[in-house]
Amino acid sequence: DAGITQSPRYKITETGRQVTLMCHQTWSHSYMFWYRQDLGHGLRLIYYSAAADITDKGEVPDGYVVSRSKTENFPLTLESATRSQTSVYFCASRGGGGELFFGEGSRLTVL
Amino acid sequence: QKEVEQNSGPLSVPEGAIASLNCTYSDRGSQSFFWYRQYSGKSPELIMFIYSNGDKEDGRFTAQLNKASQYVSLLIRDSQPSDSATYLCAVTATNTNAGKSTFGDGTTLTVKP
Repeated sequence: DAGITQSPRYKITETGRQVTLMCHQTWSHSYMFWYRQDLGHGLRLIYYSAAADITDKGEVPDGYVVSRSKTENFPLTLESATRSQTSVYFCASRGGGGELFFGEGSRLTVL
Repeated sequence: QKEVEQNSGPLSVPEGAIASLNCTYSDRGSQSFFWYRQYSGKSPELIMFIYSNGDKEDGRFTAQLNKASQYVSLLIRDSQPSDSATYLCAVTATNTNAGKSTFGDGTTLTVKP
């Protein structure tokens, strides 16, 4: 199916564990983004990518790592999860007019 | 000062009324403006975009942009209970920052039957 998909949709992990959130898009959009959404903070940009092998930090990158070996995939890794990283994570890709298409979100709980 | 600010909300209107959602932004280099709707527990979805000063209408929705005042708004006419959601304003400076969108915190709208 065309679109942008995220996995897992829900994840519970423990402090200190590594977690990877996957994002896959079928439109061949160049730009992809990772946001986190928390009450009181809206959507905050973690990392973005302009193309395969080109990534850059957003507003809140600390504690996160990204890679983009293929245009369609943009995984986000929490190398050592902390409670403050409990959040809903949205992956998005950008269309030609600058509009964003969001995945369904990944709800992460760090205990 | 936040880069993008929206009415703090929540906003409640009766069914059939006009809902007015407002957004101000600080970066004068901003060129593209978007309104997203987000239902509770769902992801944001685009409902309107506007690039030029003035009004842009799409069905019951009208986006208004005033770059001199750094202000963008969304009007929803004949509001329906299905319009109850959080509305996110997003601003993009396409000539810098890789076209990254900066979001406001959103305004939650409730339309009462």
